[in-house]
Amino acid sequence: DQQVKQNSPSLSVQEGRISILNCDYTNSMFDYFLWYKKYPAEGPTFLISISSIKDKNEDGRFTVFLNKSAKHLSLHIVPSQPGDSAVYFCAAGYNTDKLIFGTGTRLQVFP
Amino acid sequence: GAVVSQHPSRVICKSGTSVKIECRSLDFQATTMFWYRQFPKQSLMLMATSNEGSKATYEQGVEKDKFLINHASLTLSTLTVTSAHPEDSSFYICSASRTVSYEQYFGPGTRLTVT
Repeated sequence: DQQVKQNSPSLSVQEGRISILNCDYTNSMFDYFLWYKKYPAEGPTFLISISSIKDKNEDGRFTVFLNKSAKHLSLHIVPSQPGDSAVYFCAAGYNTDKLIFGTGTRLQVFP
Repeated sequence: GAVVSQHPSRVICKSGTSVKIECRSLDFQATTMFWYRQFPKQSLMLMATSNEGSKATYEQGVEKDKFLINHASLTLSTLTVTSAHPEDSSFYICSASRTVSYEQYFGPGTRLTVT
């Protein structure tokens, strides 16, 4: 039972444009969501998070949107840069317990 | 701050031997450490959660006698893969939490290959 899903395994975006990565979840108990970026053969690095009491959180070029009624969150990167090319994982948690990770979306930003 | 290291980064071992992987929080004390496993092109699968000085909590389907976890201090956790088999070959990643929070800081991972 995949509680956190990233239905797009890959995304290709031109440099300077917006990248939108999507994530859906099934467990309404989740109260915190995070996005991680991962390069091959490295551990994930934390990007941005959002609590379930908010619907938007912004940090520089990264913005996360949360739609609780749709059980959907998205990560917007604008403008996209070649260095953003990586695999992006969304993760969800509740009761400050473990995190459940999605399957990841590989983002490629081309010049 | 919040740097987590793992050692070794790569290890190749023969079937039937045991391998120990170390995870250290370098600049903070970790209340909780987590061990994940990642198969190619798949998600990070949580194997177990450990708190310093207590037994690890294993996820369903993870054999605790095969994957031994020791959390000896607030900065060190070890994962020992006992009697390794080729199907144990994977990328193992640890993470650590500074407080009771969701934010986990990940190590760089260990690539285990069992021949």
